[in-house]
Amino acid sequence: AQSVTQLGSHVSVSEGALVLLRCNYSSSVPPYLFWYVQYPNQGLQLLLKYTSAATLVKGINGFEAEFKKSETSFHLTKPSAHMSDAAEYFCAVSGGGAQKLVFGQGTRLTINP
Amino acid sequence: NAGVTQTPKFRVLKTGQSMTLLCAQDMNHEYMYWYRQDPGMGLRLIHYSVGEGTTAKGEVPDGYNVSRLKKQNFLLGLESAAPSQTSVYFCASRASGGYQETQYFGPGTRLLVL
Repeated sequence: AQSVTQLGSHVSVSEGALVLLRCNYSSSVPPYLFWYVQYPNQGLQLLLKYTSAATLVKGINGFEAEFKKSETSFHLTKPSAHMSDAAEYFCAVSGGGAQKLVFGQGTRLTINP
Repeated sequence: NAGVTQTPKFRVLKTGQSMTLLCAQDMNHEYMYWYRQDPGMGLRLIHYSVGEGTTAKGEVPDGYNVSRLKKQNFLLGLESAAPSQTSVYFCASRASGGYQETQYFGPGTRLLVL
């Protein structure tokens, strides 16, 4: 069975600072991993996904994530935070029947001016 | 191309009332999903469908029913609403390829049960 743990339900950084959101997964098969972003009162939007083609994945809005099998991690980073990055971020792993997604509990990112 | 749409956007129900949430997608996707989102719990799968006429239970199916009579629509029903069903409901759809396929989400329906 697959599972995802996001370390830190709330992360706060200053504008221009590095953003690091942590995600660890558990999977009995090679995982496919996703990061989604949810802006206030909106649905989820795909940021990026790992599909085994490359361990460093670049996404939209300057975000990237690195798949590390030895650490079972898929942390999300952005070199310089912008006020518009304030949102909730979800890590998810694909697996199981009907290729369902299993989500982490989410991390709310706050950007301080 | 509207993607995934959900109706209604917001609803208030009294305990015991029934309602149906409608999800529609125009991407010709085979798979459709219903999730609920509660604070601190991420998204949890209620029911899903792998094609027209098929449905299956997810992680938290109790108190909900679904139907997929048309490929583009996926309905979520609450027969007798309870306060524990106060939540934000999201529908998603995806193509029938492999595990790497992306799920596309609707804007959500906010439901309050009094």
